[in-house]
Formats: sequence, C-alpha cells, structure tokens
Amino acid sequence: DAGVIQSPRHEVTEMGQEVTLRCKPISGHNSLFWYRQTMMRGLELLIYFNNNVPIDDSGMPEDRFSAKMPNASFSTLKIQPSEPRDSAVYFCASKAGGTREQYFGPGTRLTVT
Amino acid sequence: GIQVEQSPPDLILQEGANSTLRCNFSDSVNNLQWFHQNPWGQLINLFYIPSGTKQNGRLSATTVATERYSLLYISSSQTTDSGVYFCATGTASKLTFGTGTRLQVTL
Repeated sequence: DAGVIQSPRHEVTEMGQEVTLRCKPISGHNSLFWYRQTMMRGLELLIYFNNNVPIDDSGMPEDRFSAKMPNASFSTLKIQPSEPRDSAVYFCASKAGGTREQYFGPGTRLTVT
Repeated sequence: GIQVEQSPPDLILQEGANSTLRCNFSDSVNNLQWFHQNPWGQLINLFYIPSGTKQNGRLSATTVATERYSLLYISSSQTTDSGVYFCATGTASKLTFGTGTRLQVTL
C-alpha cells in the first residue's frame, strides 16, 4: 500500500510568488495534518482536517497560508505571497479513524529566495 | 501547551554500542509516539506507546505515563540507526514534538 504522497519534493521560488504544496493521504485515513519543520522551531503542526473538514488551524502562521481538502484523497497548502522566512520542509501526515499513529509523507523542501 | 524535552540533544556511538534516549513531557496524555528521521529527512514511525513497554527488533521503548517520561533503547547500534529521534505527545490529533536527539553511529 502506498504511503502518504507529497509533491513537489523540492520547490525553489522567488519572494512574492504563489506556492502550492500537494498531499495525497493513505487510502482510508480520515485525518490529515500539515506540519512545518525548521531549524529554529522544530516540527510544528499548522492545520489538521478530519473527514475533509478543517478542525484546527491555530498553527497557521499568517493569512498568507491557506489549506484545503476538497476530497478524501487530496489536500493542498498554499502560500501567497511567499517570503524567505517560509523556507522550510513541509510535511503532510495522515491517520486512520480511531487510531493515534500518524504516518508522514517524504516532505516538500521549500526554498524562497 | 504541552512541553516535551528530549535528552541528550546529541549522541555519538560506535557501532555495536547500546544507548538510551529520554523524553520528558509536562502533561499526562494518553498518546506518546517515537519517530526516527533518517538522513534523507523521512519521518518513520517507531512506536506508539502511551504506557508500558514494547520491543521491535533491536529497539524497545518504555513509557511511564504517571511519571511523564518515555525511554527509547537502541541495542547493538548500526550505522543505519543514524538520524534524529523524536518523541511526540498530545491529544489524538494534536501532537507536540520534542526537539529531538541527533544520533550518529560510527564504524
């Protein structure tokens, strides 16, 4: 069974550009999480969805960040406009209902110049 | 929010040595997970262990929830064990990660 799939794996963009990160959770999982990892702040939860509905977005740093989950097999995290301080590795994770283990994708390394 | 502290922050071992990593957390919650981030950045689940002891090959973990700590044991370490080990705790859906223990296993 495929794990969590993220694309792109690497993204380099210029300040001010829009960036869209994509995630496909494990089939059958009903919770999806977006995390950001930086040297300064470690791994932080940005937002999570349950049954495609955003439950807690308190970790989203600014209005420049938005996330959607139009269906059970796809989610996006968008940054518009991007800034150099957004440079980080962004992870998507998913979890099956009634369980607690989260399974992480390979991450997207974002560099904003 | 929950505070999660890990120790030691860095660890260098010679291949074949054993080690113990510690995770302290500030609140008692029924959720404790250990992850290994390999040198390529992939986060891999090791254990879901809210209490008690589990073993998987050369790795084992123990959580004493009432005393708010968890331990990860690595026996007969191998170079492939290198990377960063994270513990995370929280509610079913909101995990707080520790700052990790960076392990380097040398030949």
